[in-house]
Amino acid sequence: NAGVTQTPKFQVLKTGQSMTLQCAQDMNHNSMYWYRQDPGMGLRLIYYSASEGTTDKGEVPNGYNVSRLNKREFSLRLESAAPSQTSVYFCASAWGGNYEQYFGPGTRLTVT
Amino acid sequence: GENVEQHPSTLSVQEGDSAVIKCTYSDSASNYFPWYKQELGKGPQLIIDIRSNVGEKKDQRIAVTLNKTAKHFSLHITETQPEDSAVYFCAANTGNQFYFGTGTSLTVIP
Repeated sequence: NAGVTQTPKFQVLKTGQSMTLQCAQDMNHNSMYWYRQDPGMGLRLIYYSASEGTTDKGEVPNGYNVSRLNKREFSLRLESAAPSQTSVYFCASAWGGNYEQYFGPGTRLTVT
Repeated sequence: GENVEQHPSTLSVQEGDSAVIKCTYSDSASNYFPWYKQELGKGPQLIIDIRSNVGEKKDQRIAVTLNKTAKHFSLHITETQPEDSAVYFCAANTGNQFYFGTGTSLTVIP
């Protein structure tokens, strides 16, 4: 039982490049989330998927897109990376909106 | 949207002493309040949570209190140990969204 897995662990991009961060959970959770974590700012919600087939914007969605590929997988795409998107990205899953969230190990992204 | 404020940002205590971290929230519709511990290089992990119909919850050395009227909730760690050193985050849930505090870096001095 791996819980929540994220790939890659580290990534360096040049400004304007695109990439997709992958997330998968094996707990049969309904809801999945993408957060970014910046120093001194806690975790901020980028997008979430309350259930398979639905996605919604969080606090900071600009510059990102998401896909809930199936119940297990939820990907985050940066179409044209900017230095302001340098951050640590965490994926999380939960049974529902007001239940414990389980977090993945994170992806450290640097945009130069 | 919801605004969650967390204090202090850093906290140092002697081993065996208690630590208290406080959070306030703004949206009276928030109904679930988890606390997460994050160790260096890892994702946050839930340590305790409380729902809006409960005023206090305890799990061994950790307790959380909630004052809905004042819109604040607190984490209490008693008999602190060096392995309690980490960053702690509070959060408030409204609907499907979670709003996190900015974190408290706790150092327990042996």
